[in-house]
Amino acid sequence: DAGITQSPRHKVTETGTPVTLRCHQTENHRYMYWYRQDPGHGLRLIHYSYGVKDTDKGEVSDGYSVSRSKTEDFLLTLESATSSQTSVYFCAIREPSSGNTIYFGEGSWLTVV
Amino acid sequence: GDSVTQMEGPVTLSEEAFLTINCTYTATGYPSLFWYVQYPGEGLQLLLKATKADDKGSNKGFEATYRKETTSFHLEKGSVQVSDSAVYFCALSYNNNDMRFGAGTRLTVKP
Repeated sequence: DAGITQSPRHKVTETGTPVTLRCHQTENHRYMYWYRQDPGHGLRLIHYSYGVKDTDKGEVSDGYSVSRSKTEDFLLTLESATSSQTSVYFCAIREPSSGNTIYFGEGSWLTVV
Repeated sequence: GDSVTQMEGPVTLSEEAFLTINCTYTATGYPSLFWYVQYPGEGLQLLLKATKADDKGSNKGFEATYRKETTSFHLEKGSVQVSDSAVYFCALSYNNNDMRFGAGTRLTVKP
């Protein structure tokens, strides 16, 4: 258990509304990640953070923004949700003490109707 | 770009059968290779990894060998159990900031 908590775990929202997913970690990890999981695609990196206020884009960053104002929280925002953003979103952290292994949270199921 | 290709599922086996899930990769350098497992309703858990050619990763009876010559990292288990039913993901990464995953292979083991 890498001390990762995602919220909300499930959400249904309407097209065009803003949505924020929160990832909270309790073990002071420097690196945090947001992935989305879709059938046939595995997991794809949306954004990642390498420190407070330090973030970078991943493979599928369009339509998403992130913020990290403190070490323990990494927020993923969909400014105006679209049906193509219906997915399962996973937060992850990198654990240097275990050979830089990446550990995942339990996921947030988002449905955009 | 770098990518991972896994055998398509679903795979259905009887308990105690031998399991192989094929994984091949395309990479410009020498990445680390991983297998993750996802049980229903849960996040991904690291199953095993290998960081250089000819390394063998192993855990819970599963193993995979990093084969540079065939660019492969096939997952094997000698005798599967019902509790092994899950989705298995192969992945590669150079620096862990951009881990590339395969599409996943669903395994169902029947009693």
